[in-house]
Amino acid sequence: EAGVAQSPRYKIIEKRQSVAFWCNPISGHATLYWYQQILGQGPKLLIQFQNNGVVDDSQLPKDRFSAERLKGVDSTLKIQPAKLEDSAVYLCASSLDVGRVNSPLHFGNGTRLTVT
Amino acid sequence: QKEVEQNSGPLSVPEGAIASLNCTYSDRGSQSFFWYRQYSGKSPELIMFIYSNGDKEDGRFTAQLNKASQYVSLLIRDSQPSDSATYLCAVKYDMRFGAGTRLTVKP
Repeated sequence: EAGVAQSPRYKIIEKRQSVAFWCNPISGHATLYWYQQILGQGPKLLIQFQNNGVVDDSQLPKDRFSAERLKGVDSTLKIQPAKLEDSAVYLCASSLDVGRVNSPLHFGNGTRLTVT
Repeated sequence: QKEVEQNSGPLSVPEGAIASLNCTYSDRGSQSFFWYRQYSGKSPELIMFIYSNGDKEDGRFTAQLNKASQYVSLLIRDSQPSDSATYLCAVKYDMRFGAGTRLTVKP
């Protein structure tokens, strides 16, 4: 079974520029998550999709971050404009179904973003 | 505000000892609980999950859940240097993570 695919692996941009990250979940996984992990901290949930609908985006800074999941499969996360404090690893994860108690997350390799 | 709390550590144990990692959560509606291991520079990987009160064992790992006390723990028996990593507790309903506990196992 192919894992969660993310790209790019690394990205360096200047502040006020825009950036986009892409994620392809495991086939058949209905739920997709984007997390932000700052060095030394635990992953922070940014947004959760169930198929192509948003379940939770309460921690997404909506003035600069946006995310979409077209057709309930691939997803993109965008930052515009970027700030220095956005430097982090952005992790995409997927799971079979948000409603199943024993449905764990499977993570991609992440995108390491550096904002200078 | 839903919170997941972990002791950030670092926790250091000698090789062969038992490592005990703890996690508390605030949301009584939480359904299930996951322990992930994260090596430096890598993504989290699942160790085990638990959703019923009591203990669940998998090899050298034992997860313990007490919903009344809103407490979940992970015990690692016969700790090995390869167990040195950050251990993350995740709580479902919304798959929120704690800050992680960094474990070092000294040879």
